[in-house]
Amino acid sequence: GQQLNQSPQSMFIQEGEDVSMNCTSSSIFNTWLWYKQDPGEGPVLLIALYKAGELTSNGRLTAQFGITRKDSFLNISASIPSDVGIYFCAGQKGTGNQFYFGTGTSLTVIP
Amino acid sequence: GAVVSQHPSRVICKSGTSVKIECRSLDFQATTMFWYRQFPKKSLMLMATSNEGSKATYEQGVEKDKFLINHASLTLSTLTVTSAHPEDSSFYICSAKFPGDMETQYFGPGTRLLVL
Repeated sequence: GQQLNQSPQSMFIQEGEDVSMNCTSSSIFNTWLWYKQDPGEGPVLLIALYKAGELTSNGRLTAQFGITRKDSFLNISASIPSDVGIYFCAGQKGTGNQFYFGTGTSLTVIP
Repeated sequence: GAVVSQHPSRVICKSGTSVKIECRSLDFQATTMFWYRQFPKKSLMLMATSNEGSKATYEQGVEKDKFLINHASLTLSTLTVTSAHPEDSSFYICSAKFPGDMETQYFGPGTRLLVL
């Protein structure tokens, strides 16, 4: 099935730094979701985006639905150790269709 | 956010036995649930879509007779791995579609299956 490309694959950053990651596809999507997964746990929903150009925040996290509808971005400001984990994007082409998941971005925050 | 539970969280079984994993939406009704499989350091792979009151829709390459899915109620879907083999060892995660116009999925905590 289709897979979304996430970039970067992994990041090692200093505590307090800002983080940016993105998710791209060759297809147009109508919905983008961003999840964080801790080891041995299920993904936790961070932000949901439903409209091209939409910019949504959740605390220190901000995500944007790209205007081309083929990409989405997630930013984390002032990173802290508990931000460590794997971040997945998920895109859906239309209502009722399945979600396609990104390849994941592994984030390590160095205290 | 909405809560989805899975049981058991981890299970070890002998080769040839069957294992049932439950997925429950605790505070909302889900007409659609999804079952994923995840290998170490990999993304989630959709196995099947479970619809309440009807047969599940399986993704290409997933054996429906091996991975039996039952969505008996609006809050419960089960995945049974039949005649499990070591290659079935994996992390299985379910998600439930939150009702409403906006498409959102909430995930369970996952089930670690180890087949000896």
